[in-house]
Amino acid sequence: AQKVTQAQTEISVVEKEDVTLDCVYETRDTTYYLFWYKQPPSGELVFLIRRNSFDEQNEISGRYSWNFQKSTSSFNFTITASQVVDSAVYFCALSEARRGSTLGRLYFGRGTQLTVWP
Amino acid sequence: DSGVTQTPKHLITATGQRVTLRCSPRSGDLSVYWYQQSLDQGLQFLIQYYNGEERAKGNILERFSAQQFPDLHSELNLSSLELGDSALYFCASSVEVRDTEAFFGQGTRLTVV
Repeated sequence: AQKVTQAQTEISVVEKEDVTLDCVYETRDTTYYLFWYKQPPSGELVFLIRRNSFDEQNEISGRYSWNFQKSTSSFNFTITASQVVDSAVYFCALSEARRGSTLGRLYFGRGTQLTVWP
Repeated sequence: DSGVTQTPKHLITATGQRVTLRCSPRSGDLSVYWYQQSLDQGLQFLIQYYNGEERAKGNILERFSAQQFPDLHSELNLSSLELGDSALYFCASSVEVRDTEAFFGQGTRLTVV
């Protein structure tokens, strides 16, 4: 069965600090996708990144970086030099891949509430 | 803006009533997914449609039903509403190609009183 665990319920940092959000997943599939979504106070879910299970390269996008390690079933998310606007709930999600690697249902973690103080 | 449109944004209704939530997917997306976000259960998958046909079912109650129409918009019908149905309901859409992602609408916040 698929499962996503985000052990950190809440994290508070001061602006300009780096912060890492942890995500551990479980799946028996060999092909799957991993995602991070951001949910700001306004409530919408904003897509941040998708990772294919065959692509273990780490990725950096501006102040955001992601560390995917299959050996530990983890897909951690780091925000460098955090800003107040980064305050949000962040969700890690796992999706089974179907025939042709199309997208199946998403299994979400419970989310991590990040608060960045000025 | 994700390109996925959900209406209404907010809905307040009484127990026992029935409501319909509407979703218009991004242009070209054939798959529509419905998710429920509640404090108790977190974000839970309800159901997926692909090009008008049901593709996958999750933790969807029998009181809930959905459909996808020929123009690809989808509706989620919730009936005999209970207080515990109060939640944020999200619709997402995706294309059926390799290495895709799901884009979410802004959600419909349902409050049952």
